[in-house]
Amino acid sequence: ETGVTQSPTHLIKTRGQQVTLRCSSQSGHNTVSWYQQALGQGPQFIFQYYREEENGRGNFPPRFSGLQFPNYSSELNVNALELDDSALYLCASSSGQVSSYEQYFGPGTRLTVT
Amino acid sequence: QKEVEQNSGPLSVPEGAIASLNCTYSDRVSQSFFWYRQYSGKSPELIMSIYSNGDKEDGRFTAQLNKASQYVSLLIRDSQPSDSATYLCAVTYTGNQFYFGTGTSLTVIP
Repeated sequence: ETGVTQSPTHLIKTRGQQVTLRCSSQSGHNTVSWYQQALGQGPQFIFQYYREEENGRGNFPPRFSGLQFPNYSSELNVNALELDDSALYLCASSSGQVSSYEQYFGPGTRLTVT
Repeated sequence: QKEVEQNSGPLSVPEGAIASLNCTYSDRVSQSFFWYRQYSGKSPELIMSIYSNGDKEDGRFTAQLNKASQYVSLLIRDSQPSDSATYLCAVTYTGNQFYFGTGTSLTVIP
């Protein structure tokens, strides 16, 4: 167990709806990254938050947004859900701004969009 | 376009053998390299990190990095059935971006 927690475990939404996923980082970690993992694929980097600021972003549209709170927990928000958004959403925490730091993953949230 | 490539497998090895997993990356401006293991239905689990050319050993695992040839590999010695999983290679670049390969499926046959 890494100490990174995510909620909810599973979620079913309808196309066009909005969703919020939550992540609590491992104790002592101040950086949170979010990933999308489609079936049979590797995780795709969405963005990273360091000390409440977005600190890097992958190739995802603006309807994917996030927040980090003073306790370093984080939210991922997805607006106008599309069928292709169905995936496992992973949160990972690390202890530093630089990307060389090791990241530890939470158990993930399985999102299904119908 | 930064890419991380892995053979998808499946790779099958007998119990006790050495499993060799390879990963190539496209951008020379790469900083750090990681190997993760992912069991079916679970999240990735960090196995090793490597930052400089050469070998790094941790128990039965050895990571090898060759920046000139842009590849990183993972050797698993004395493979066990519990090592059966998908192995993901990850590369980081400036700008705090992580790139993962699609993973190599490993099966260790008892």
